[in-house]
Amino acid sequence: DVKVTQSSRYLVKRTGEKVFLECVQDMDHENMFWYRQDPGLGLRLIYFSYDVKMKEKGDIPEGYSVSREKKERFSLILESASTNQTSMYLCASRRTGSGFSYGYTFGSGTRLTVV
Amino acid sequence: AQSVTQPDIHITVSEGASLELRCNYSYGATPYLFWYVQSPGQGLQLLLKYFSGDTLVQGIKGFEAEFKRSQSSFNLRKPSVHWSDAAEYFCAVILAGGTSYGKLTFGQGTILTVHP
Repeated sequence: DVKVTQSSRYLVKRTGEKVFLECVQDMDHENMFWYRQDPGLGLRLIYFSYDVKMKEKGDIPEGYSVSREKKERFSLILESASTNQTSMYLCASRRTGSGFSYGYTFGSGTRLTVV
Repeated sequence: AQSVTQPDIHITVSEGASLELRCNYSYGATPYLFWYVQSPGQGLQLLLKYFSGDTLVQGIKGFEAEFKRSQSSFNLRKPSVHWSDAAEYFCAVILAGGTSYGKLTFGQGTILTVHP
C-alpha cells in the first residue's frame, strides 16, 4: 500500500528550539508539500517542492524552511520554534503528469505543541 | 484575492437525513475541484474530484458533487447520511497555471456531526 509517512504523530518542543518534521513517501512522487492545519482556517500551504533540491514558498512560509535532498524525503524546519507554531502539520505528495488526474496523498499528520 | 469558501463551519444532521455541504471559489477560470474528508485523528482522504465534462461527479462512500459554473460552486451531497460520515470536510482547488501551478488550496472546512 503506497503511503506518506510522517515520522512523529505527536511532538512537544520548547520555545526557541530548532524543530525538524520529517516526511517520507514511497511512491516516487515528484511533488511534495507541507501544510499546517488550524481550526477554522483549513489547511494552509507552507512550502512545496517540485523535485529534488527544488523548493517554493507557499502562502505562509515565515518562520519555516525546508529541505529536499532525496526524492522520497521532504523535511520541514522550524528554525526557532514559537508558540504560534503550535499546530497540526500535514505532508502530501503528488505524481506529476496527466494534468492533475493523479491526486494528492496525505500523511496522517504531526501535532506539534510548542511550550 | 483568489479563495475557496465553505460558508458552514459546523453542520448537524440526523442519521438517514440528506446532506449538502457548500463550497464556493473565486477564481477567474474553472479550477480543478476536490472534496476531501478527514476523520478524527486521521489524514485526508479524497472523496471526489472534478476536472471537466459531466458536472455531476460521483465519489466514494455514496457522495456526489455538482459543479455549477454560473454560481462558482461545487457543493457536496449525500442522500442519506450514516453515523460514520461524522468528520471534517474540505473543499479544495488547484489552479493550472502561473505561480500557483499545482498548489492545492483549501477552504476552511465544515465539521459534520451526525445525531442517531
